[in-house]
Amino acid sequence: EEQLVESGGGLVQPGGSLRLSCGASGFILSTYDMHWVRQGAGKGLEWVSAMGVAGDTFYPGSVKGRFTISRDTAKNSFYLQMNSLRSGDTAVYYCARRWAHWYFDLWGRGTLVTVSS
Amino acid sequence: DIQLTQSPSFLSASVGDRVTITCRASQDISSYLAWYQQKPGTAPKLLIYAASTLQSGVPSRFSGSGSGTEFTLTISSLQPEDFATYYCQQLNNYPITFGPGTKVEI
Repeated sequence: EEQLVESGGGLVQPGGSLRLSCGASGFILSTYDMHWVRQGAGKGLEWVSAMGVAGDTFYPGSVKGRFTISRDTAKNSFYLQMNSLRSGDTAVYYCARRWAHWYFDLWGRGTLVTVSS
Repeated sequence: DIQLTQSPSFLSASVGDRVTITCRASQDISSYLAWYQQKPGTAPKLLIYAASTLQSGVPSRFSGSGSGTEFTLTISSLQPEDFATYYCQQLNNYPITFGPGTKVEI
């Protein structure tokens, strides 16, 4: 069964750092574009980052320069390094797989990041 | 960046109703639009992709239409399990963006 499992969430102080992990099973992660999407409590979905098959990376302006996406093909996992965290970064973070150009077809269950003093 | 707007933001409906949600893009996104359903505490579930293609396993009461900048999601006969929040998503280019969501309530 194909599955994504996030980990690494928790409570961090403003200005702090956190690294999220997303482990894949049932498929080879590096053969797909992989993404992070977040959702604040009671809010909508916000795309956070992507890594293409070729290793190219993409970010929205809200996190560019603070967040870094990476992958470890040997571990079939990818990561989101989050630095200079702000209260507005508090959210459930989902990892997701993109199918070709068309949609996100596989999502993890999410991991909660809380930025608070 | 491509902005997506959805209308309505909230929709009160009854079982059996026909429901239509509109998603508008700030620029032409061809057919690179997907629709998701999300229930509280769970990840989004794909319903429609390429604006009008029903994802495998999704009931046929769901349908999508449109291209360019205006898109619709229609539920032909609302069922109890359809009460949820619906999001559109554009994948035409980066940054990928989502609409603000439409909450369908009883």
